[in-house]
Amino acid sequence: DQQVKQNSPSLSVQEGRISILNCDYTNSMFDYFLWYKKYPAEGPTFLISISSIKDKNEDGRFTVFLNKSAKHLSLHIVPSQPGDSAVYFCAARGAGGTSYGKLTFGQGTILTVHP
Amino acid sequence: DAGVTQSPTHLIKTRGQQVTLRCSPISGHKSVSWYQQVLGQGPQFIFQYYEKEERGRGNFPDRFSARQFPNYSSELNVNALLLGDSALYLCASARAGGGPYEQYFGPGTRLTVT
Repeated sequence: DQQVKQNSPSLSVQEGRISILNCDYTNSMFDYFLWYKKYPAEGPTFLISISSIKDKNEDGRFTVFLNKSAKHLSLHIVPSQPGDSAVYFCAARGAGGTSYGKLTFGQGTILTVHP
Repeated sequence: DAGVTQSPTHLIKTRGQQVTLRCSPISGHKSVSWYQQVLGQGPQFIFQYYEKEERGRGNFPDRFSARQFPNYSSELNVNALLLGDSALYLCASARAGGGPYEQYFGPGTRLTVT
């Protein structure tokens, strides 16, 4: 049972334009949602997070939006740069019980930003 | 400050053998988690340790075990290796076991079982 899903395996964007990466979840027992970026041969790098009680968090070029009623979150990158090309994972953090602190990841979306 | 470090970088083992992977967290971080990432998928949670106690366990068989030492470093052990255990094993550290603390990942250990 995939609790966190990224339905787009890949996304291609022109440099300078907006990149929008999407993520859906099915379990409401998450307290934080996080986005990670991963380059080949490296571990995931933390990008930005959002609390389940917020609907937006912004950090420089990166903004995460959370729609709790739709159980959907998105990461906006504006403007996109070629160096942003990587695999992006969304993750949800367990809020309690034996899942407390556990991260559940989506399958990842490969972002390619063309010069 | 140094990031999360893992050793070894790569490892090749034969079916049925046992393997130990090591992780050193970021200085000041007391929580360590282990994840398995197979090709084309996101990381899957295996264990979380905080202050040397197991705080969470994912859906993995008992062949997988881990421990955390007084200096907060950690080891992941896998017994009776299967071909399906071939994956990238990631270690992540956080300041605490819960709360608004992001997990920071190491580069991983690539395990190949032949």
